[in-house]
Amino acid sequence: TQLLEQSPQFLSIQEGENLTVYCNSSSVFSSLQWYRQEPGEGPVLLVTVVTGGEVKKLKRLTFQFGDARKDSSLHITAAQPGDTGLYLCAGARSGGYQKVTFGTGTKLQVIP
Amino acid sequence: DAEITQSPRHKITETGRQVTLACHQTWNHNNMFWYRQDLGHGLRLIHYSYGVQDTNKGEVSDGYSVSRSNTEDLPLTLESAASSQTSVYFCASSESSLAGTDTQYFGPGTRLTVL
Repeated sequence: TQLLEQSPQFLSIQEGENLTVYCNSSSVFSSLQWYRQEPGEGPVLLVTVVTGGEVKKLKRLTFQFGDARKDSSLHITAAQPGDTGLYLCAGARSGGYQKVTFGTGTKLQVIP
Repeated sequence: DAEITQSPRHKITETGRQVTLACHQTWNHNNMFWYRQDLGHGLRLIHYSYGVQDTNKGEVSDGYSVSRSNTEDLPLTLESAASSQTSVYFCASSESSLAGTDTQYFGPGTRLTVL
């Protein structure tokens, strides 16, 4: 059973457009992380959110943790080709690393 | 600079053979993890370790084993490789907290093909 569903699975947009990626679950998480993975490399952490309703901004990227801590979103403003990659959310429930679950991933392509 | 490396980067093997994938980190992290990544499944945890001599099963541990004899290394062994184990394998490490909120630092991955 996949606990974290991401949507969309694939997204191809033109440079300069805005986009939102969603990470949804029926489970409550104590924290949620977003990673970006480029082809041939391992994922790299972008952000960690720990409080329901929390919003964090990283330049053109805005991350939000749902009030009920069951979902999260990643919004990119004015996407650039350098944003191309696989975006993964990862939710942690109490009880150590056995309780960290990665989402299914969203593959983003930004066309110049 | 501290880093985490994996070897080999690519491996082709035959069904039934034993295969060992190496993972080495110079972060001096206590926690180390092995994941497999398959299309449509994201990253799934195979095994993890909180320190030397400690190993734990993840959600997809069947057919895999690990050992932790020092801080730097966590080799992953496939006892008898199966075609279902064809995947990309990632090793990761993090600092000591058990909270699940720590930054995991990932290696570059090993692409394993079992024929």
